[in-house]
Amino acid sequence: SAVISQKPSRDICQRGTSLTIQCQVDSQVTMMFWYRQQPGQSLTLIATANQGSEATYESGFVIDKFPISRPNLTFSTLTVSNMSPEDSSIYLCSVAFGGVGVEAFFGQGTRLTVV
Amino acid sequence: QQQVKQSPQSLIVQKGGIPIINCAYENTAFDYFPWYQQFPGKGPALLIAIRPDVSEKKEGRFTISFNKSAKQFSLHIMDSQPGDSATYFCAAGLNEKLTFGTGTRLTIIP
Repeated sequence: SAVISQKPSRDICQRGTSLTIQCQVDSQVTMMFWYRQQPGQSLTLIATANQGSEATYESGFVIDKFPISRPNLTFSTLTVSNMSPEDSSIYLCSVAFGGVGVEAFFGQGTRLTVV
Repeated sequence: QQQVKQSPQSLIVQKGGIPIINCAYENTAFDYFPWYQQFPGKGPALLIAIRPDVSEKKEGRFTISFNKSAKQFSLHIMDSQPGDSATYFCAAGLNEKLTFGTGTRLTIIP
């Protein structure tokens, strides 16, 4: 298993600003994932972040809007840039341990409100 | 686009009943099918998972039934309790990526 800490847990931000969300894992992991969960909705994968390489973005998400850093095997950041009210969501960090299965663990999420 | 369809959207069951949540997928390459439980203000927590070479898996009060030919799988919660009230998500995994269903808000009434 893994313990994942996300900061901040929630924030209210002004339109046009940027917010960086931090994700710290208590063990080294190869792959980290960032998801968005809009209110009352499912989880949508934003990007996959591997240490030492550029993040891989899913369809509909771009690096300019959601830049990601992955400086080491236990830490990642997601920045939500030039925010608009449509970016109001819960952002979740996840790690997966491959091999036999895809056992993914999630942080508690960052609840972002853009006003 | 890879999709996982989940139903029902919401479900109310009396304590002791057996809520059943169903999911269907399209991509036969998926090789891992987990269920997640999410309480308000928390991240999803892995509940139980199954691989496509198994038709059923039971862990405690939670059972997954898997029908590979129909590309469907379901979660059964035995002897449901009010503490099971949460949102449940099915997912399908491939290459360590998960595609989530739309979620089921389950309420267990005393």
